[in-house]
Amino acid sequence: ETAVFQTPNYHVTQVGNEVSFNCKQTLGHDTMYWYKQDSKKLLKIMFSYNNKQLIVNETVPRRFSPQSSDKAHLNLRIKSVEPEDSAVYLCASSWVNQDTQYFGPGTRLLVL
Amino acid sequence: QQKVQQSPESLTVSEGAMASLNCTFSDGTSNNFRWYRQHSAKGLEVLVSIFSDGEKEEGRFTAHLNRANLHVSLHIREPQPSDSAVYLCAVRNTGKLTFGDGTVLTVKP
Repeated sequence: ETAVFQTPNYHVTQVGNEVSFNCKQTLGHDTMYWYKQDSKKLLKIMFSYNNKQLIVNETVPRRFSPQSSDKAHLNLRIKSVEPEDSAVYLCASSWVNQDTQYFGPGTRLLVL
Repeated sequence: QQKVQQSPESLTVSEGAMASLNCTFSDGTSNNFRWYRQHSAKGLEVLVSIFSDGEKEEGRFTAHLNRANLHVSLHIREPQPSDSAVYLCAVRNTGKLTFGDGTVLTVKP
């Protein structure tokens, strides 16, 4: 099966903890993305990663960092989570410079 | 640090009337500008990319860049209700991409 896979589906944690979310795509794409979806269902792009080039949305707090072992994997680490980090985090992939992105099912984070 | 600001925050136009969206940026060395559209709960759709001063047209969407004024705009010709979405301006320099907060466009029939 070719698709974008994310784990975990759901994660509850406390303020100050560190969390990591995994994303894997089996579509052979060369670019991967992380989005944060807020309560209004709007997607805000956080990172894109292509051929080891990281493009960062500068509005993303420094406690967020992407981690990639190869072009099929892009994980997201959050050091010391805060309540406003509660959201759905969506991973996507595409070919570079192509508009069509394929999304994973998302990871819902709840910070207590 | 790059600052990207969009205006207006929200815009309502009638179907067929021109819609104009604005974006200002702070770093004059920026060299790559994109307008995206985001329908609710969906990913980003690239509308137009522009790299040099002047105009760039992609279908009904026209971007206009004036780097001296630190300004890039998007004009939507003959907007339709299906164009109702959030429009995001993104500015890139030295590999960093900065997004504005978006303009919510509503097109009324």
